[in-house]
Amino acid sequence: SQTIHQWPATLVQPVGSPLSLECTVEGTSNPNLYWYRQAAGRGLQLLFYSVGIGQISSEVPQNLSASRPQDRQFILSSKKLLLSDSGFYLCAWTRDGTSTDTQYFGPGTRLTVL
Amino acid sequence: QKEVEQNSGPLSVPEGAIASLNCTYSDRGSQSFFWYRQYSGKSPELIMSIYSNGDKEDGRFTAQLNKASQYVSLLIRDSQPSDSATYLCAVKTNAGKSTFGDGTTLTVKP
Repeated sequence: SQTIHQWPATLVQPVGSPLSLECTVEGTSNPNLYWYRQAAGRGLQLLFYSVGIGQISSEVPQNLSASRPQDRQFILSSKKLLLSDSGFYLCAWTRDGTSTDTQYFGPGTRLTVL
Repeated sequence: QKEVEQNSGPLSVPEGAIASLNCTYSDRGSQSFFWYRQYSGKSPELIMSIYSNGDKEDGRFTAQLNKASQYVSLLIRDSQPSDSATYLCAVKTNAGKSTFGDGTTLTVKP
């Protein structure tokens, strides 16, 4: 079966500090990978998605970036965090990204920027 | 207009009642529709997916889709306190991009 991991689970960072969140998927190969952010009481905002190693599409221009150095690893980064970067960050995967393909979510990282 | 709109809630029902959650979408090219349940502080988990007009039942859950009206709903029969959560509607186009509503928070009172 497939498993998706995220770490860290919780993070408190000062404004202006760097960020690195990691997501890995087990039990599948060449998944489509996604980063979402969820603000308090809101839905999911798609930040980045990747269909393969080194292939990143950005949905919202901001101070975040993503990388996919390995097939089942997806990293979300920032050089300088803003207060508005606080939120619940979710990594998700799908098999092939077709319209009927289901997204499965990792456990998430709760980020608080102070 | 938001691409995917859900009842803002919160929705409160007594235990054993039917909870009805609604979702409308704006993109007529949408092909797939998903309902996720999200407990407080946790990540979303898939409850049901529906692709064709009509009803789809899975246990206590029934998803209903009407593409002509651009409307999808989730009915929860015999609601339990453990059903208390936020329910997210997700709509997917042929291109594979998912758009989520802001969610409806359901409270089932014992």
